[in-house]
Amino acid sequence: QVQLKESGPGLVKPSGTLSLTCTVSGGSVTYSHWWSWVRQPPGKGLEWIGEIYHSGRTNYNPSLKSRLTISADKSKNQFSLNLRSVTAADTAVYYCGRTPDDFYGLDAWGEGATVTVSS
Amino acid sequence: QSTLTQPPSASGSPGQSVTISCTGTSSDVGAYNFVSWYQQRPGKAPKIIIYHVSKRPSGVPNRFSGSKSGNTASLTVSGLQAEDEADYYCSSYAGSNIIYVFGTGTKVTVL
Repeated sequence: QVQLKESGPGLVKPSGTLSLTCTVSGGSVTYSHWWSWVRQPPGKGLEWIGEIYHSGRTNYNPSLKSRLTISADKSKNQFSLNLRSVTAADTAVYYCGRTPDDFYGLDAWGEGATVTVSS
Repeated sequence: QSTLTQPPSASGSPGQSVTISCTGTSSDVGAYNFVSWYQQRPGKAPKIIIYHVSKRPSGVPNRFSGSKSGNTASLTVSGLQAEDEADYYCSSYAGSNIIYVFGTGTKVTVL
């Protein structure tokens, strides 16, 4: 059974870059899946951020696209999120997840990582 | 960022049924049979309970069922149990530009 775990700094300064990594166990980022990021601001709903396919192809939320890069490191079985020029509005719990081929939705989620943007 | 509209709250007594609506547009819910529902307990990650409108992943009780009509999808929880108290979010595939949109979320309370 696949397991996902987010890691990264819990505090980022305004105008800085938010960087998170999702480590995959019980599966491989080279499998035919989409690997995704979703966030949830405090007390609010879920927002889809973007995803990366095993081939390296990416899809991004248009509202974040100009600040966003999602990449994968096959040697470490990880995929990562980089969000530039952050503001307090980017404060959220960030989740990584998986979407298998021929499936629409996230069938596996990490436990989430809290990131606060503050000076 | 478009979102799907859900009622903020729903409630029912143990054993009763509760239905949550999820209203989108002809570009998301109405366009694709790819609506999923997630259950999120406090402090926990979401868990998928319905996918592709009405399919249940292995291990999800058949008390949970999904349907869709036009631009509105619905989740019904039958035979409510105390453990069903949680936030529920719908989501829909929305095409190659946005990919997924989520609902506003519904807090289900078991009275």
